[in-house]
Amino acid sequence: GDSVTQTEGQVTVSESKSLIINCTYSATSIAYPNLFWYVRYPGEGLQLLLKVITAGQKGSSRGFEATYNKETTSFHLQKASVQESDSAVYYCALSVGVNTGGADRLTFGKGTQLIIQP
Amino acid sequence: EAAVTQSPRNKVTVTGGNVTLSCRQTNSHNYMYWYRQDTGHGLRLIHYSYGAGNLQIGDVPDGYKATRTTQEDFFLLLELASPSQTSLYFCASSWNTEVFFGKGTRLTVV
Repeated sequence: GDSVTQTEGQVTVSESKSLIINCTYSATSIAYPNLFWYVRYPGEGLQLLLKVITAGQKGSSRGFEATYNKETTSFHLQKASVQESDSAVYYCALSVGVNTGGADRLTFGKGTQLIIQP
Repeated sequence: EAAVTQSPRNKVTVTGGNVTLSCRQTNSHNYMYWYRQDTGHGLRLIHYSYGAGNLQIGDVPDGYKATRTTQEDFFLLLELASPSQTSLYFCASSWNTEVFFGKGTRLTVV
């Protein structure tokens, strides 16, 4: 089946420092799945942070970016300078899309808790 | 703005109890989903539906039933709740790779 592996547990970064959360994927039903980063702030539902549906492309939002690397099957999330408001849980996910009969059902990584130190 | 509303937001029930979690979307989306989120597991798909009266089995369906009564409403049913079903449940709807989530229902089975 499909799977997503991301930096597990908790990552602590000092404010204004750079961030990387690693994500690799494996999709058995399709060569190039859609890739996503979702974020969940305390008390809120998951929000889409960014998505890339074309291999080789880069997505960006709110200062975060991730590049769809089909050679290494990776989709790492990066930010050059984090802020306290970035504290949240981040999820990497993939979908194989409705056109393949898979609906938009998402396969998630286990989530990474990001803590920003002032 | 797409909207998915879950109720209740918090629920405590006893082992063997009967629980229904509700989800309503006002997006006119065909697809709706129920996920559970547990520490160390990320989100896992329980059931999903592509329209009223339709139900598809997800990855962790055991112990759960679901029913899609209308385009807007999708219910998750636990008829004999067990402590292993203590979790945070998310409902979602989707269209064309855009998936919108509710704020979640925290269920505790004691």
